[in-house]
Amino acid sequence: QSVLTQPPSASGTRGQRVAISCSGSSSNTGSYPVNWYQQLPGTAPKLLIYSNNQRPSGVPDRFSGSRSGTSASLAISGLQSEDAADYYCATWDDSLNGPYVFGTGTKVTVL
Amino acid sequence: QLQLQESGPGLVKPSETLSLTCSVSGGSIRSSNYHWGWIRQPPGKGLEWIGSIYYSGSTYYNPSLKSRVTISVDTSKNQFSLRLSSVTAADTAVYYCARHNFRSNWELDYWGQGTLVTVSS
Repeated sequence: QSVLTQPPSASGTRGQRVAISCSGSSSNTGSYPVNWYQQLPGTAPKLLIYSNNQRPSGVPDRFSGSRSGTSASLAISGLQSEDAADYYCATWDDSLNGPYVFGTGTKVTVL
Repeated sequence: QLQLQESGPGLVKPSETLSLTCSVSGGSIRSSNYHWGWIRQPPGKGLEWIGSIYYSGSTYYNPSLKSRVTISVDTSKNQFSLRLSSVTAADTAVYYCARHNFRSNWELDYWGQGTLVTVSS
């Protein structure tokens, strides 16, 4: 069972802004930077955001991340149809749950 | 361009040991900046981190799987492997290998395509 909680689903129309939360505790999101992964249907996950807000080369700038307290957030601005996917947060955890933990995942639907 | 490829049996009997290998190409597994990890995803469910290994053999494991998991590395073949013992149907999943960048924030920056392992008699 994951120690990082995400909403099961989120949706928006094309062009809208969608935000996904990732809630943890002092042993994980409260202490360590958060990474985000995108998993398109039927494919392997792909790194989307690392160190809270850094985008790997090739990731569109409509994806952004932030962290505050024990929560993190991924925002998609100007939602596109190709953004329909599952999104997972992840980070280091220095408790008995660790050392690396994923969030529960959020399915984004483009209406 | 770094590539990772999982290989191994797609079907394992209950109580037996699941064995998978990840072959790394386009880069050396001996790099000092990376750990090499295994992640799994049961059908229709989320991601679960299994463990990781450094080229020297140093490992980290998910506490919930630690008693059944062994990850090893073969630097001469540029490969690392996963063994999961005493499997049950709950271990049925797509298994991914990936690279952790631990000099940054432990992000998994390269992934294999994944391989489905079914536990069934």
